[in-house]
Amino acid sequence: QKEVEQDPGPLSVPEGAIVSLNCTYSNSAFQYFMWYRQYSRKGPELLMYTYSSGNKEDGRFTAQVDKSSKYISLFIRDSQPSDSATYLCAMGPNTGFQKLVFGTGTRLLVSP
Amino acid sequence: EPEVTQTPSHQVTQMGQEVILRCVPISNHLYFYWYRQILGQKVEFLVSFYNNEISEKSEIFDDQFSVERPDGSNFTLKIRSTKLEDSAMYFCASRDRGGQETQYFGPGTRLLVL
Repeated sequence: QKEVEQDPGPLSVPEGAIVSLNCTYSNSAFQYFMWYRQYSRKGPELLMYTYSSGNKEDGRFTAQVDKSSKYISLFIRDSQPSDSATYLCAMGPNTGFQKLVFGTGTRLLVSP
Repeated sequence: EPEVTQTPSHQVTQMGQEVILRCVPISNHLYFYWYRQILGQKVEFLVSFYNNEISEKSEIFDDQFSVERPDGSNFTLKIRSTKLEDSAMYFCASRDRGGQETQYFGPGTRLLVL
């Protein structure tokens, strides 16, 4: 079983749609959960950071963590064509120097 | 807003040659990382660096790789004898002291080994 699993997509939605992106993981030591956005051939850009379980909202973005199910989600409301990118989930333990483990990324395409 | 910078943006080299990739982490950050991303694959951890020494490294980070913080601002990754399979995007990241555990990534260096 892969440590972090993420559907690679692509996920195509019309402008204005609500987007749901998800990752599952197997390592119960993970405590820190991040979502990064990556445009083609660019570096990952931090979008959301959550510690342990719960929800976090920032503008059009909501991150959810369900540690009991080892499942994390990112919701994008009122999606825009500029949201078209690859979304990477990443996670790390609460110990050590926090090596991040990434999912493969989900490619999102928002059409006008 | 402070950001991580990396140079060069692109590097083409011949197999067996040495390359040095450079990074300037965010000022006052204490933890430094290198990751790589082979085209079409996921981002993979290479090494973490704290207090002037390697704190953790992956299986990928073999004896051909080394890291250094030669001064108060730069953080470098050296590959001594490049292989074809070293072709990838290399990302530097940095993190503040404990509390906010987020890592901020640079734009990457695209390395092509011929």
